[in-house]
Amino acid sequence: DTEVTQTPKHLVMGMTNKKSLKCEQHMGHRAMYWYKQKAKKPPELMFVYSYEKLSINESVPSRFSPECPNSSLLNLHLHALQPEDSALYLCASSQIGIGELFFGEGSRLTVL
Amino acid sequence: AQRVTQPEKLLSVFKGAPVELKCNYSYSGSPELFWYVQYSRQRLQLLLRHISRESIKGFTADLNKGETSFHLKKPFAQEEDSAMYYCALKDFGNEKLTFGTGTRLTIIP
Repeated sequence: DTEVTQTPKHLVMGMTNKKSLKCEQHMGHRAMYWYKQKAKKPPELMFVYSYEKLSINESVPSRFSPECPNSSLLNLHLHALQPEDSALYLCASSQIGIGELFFGEGSRLTVL
Repeated sequence: AQRVTQPEKLLSVFKGAPVELKCNYSYSGSPELFWYVQYSRQRLQLLLRHISRESIKGFTADLNKGETSFHLKKPFAQEEDSAMYYCALKDFGNEKLTFGTGTRLTIIP
């Protein structure tokens, strides 16, 4: 299996809701990433997990809470989001130190 | 902090003509540079990396440390090259990968 799978593909939530985005890979990769991509903009790094530990947090607001329960799974917990958080959220994975990221198709989030 | 700049947001080239997508970077150490591509309705994927010095789908890119550039080139454009191209820089010693602003390449038949 050489794919990164993200669920759900689409999510609409209100500003008071709590929801989660999920990401899974079975390539044995020990680095996993969350990126945020707004329309017509490049992906912006949010978080990196290396060996299931949070290694990079790009000063992301605490309303976004990442979790890496095991080496195959990555979650992004969402709470009290703002409309400006509406975007495509991309998950990726890679071998440590290689720089070749494998991306999922993304979860398109709309915050009302 | 590192920065990756792609000066052209849009680039249109006739089929069979040469293609050059520009990428400039600023980084204090030794950079690792990559080109990623996103074809229509496909996920973002790696095209090539500078340490491999390989040609993928006819594309090559040379790291020029003096000019801090990593331009992507292909001698003869094909229609299937139409896509969004991102230059990316990886930090040394950690997994941070920063993307440039992207260039949308359109090949005119």
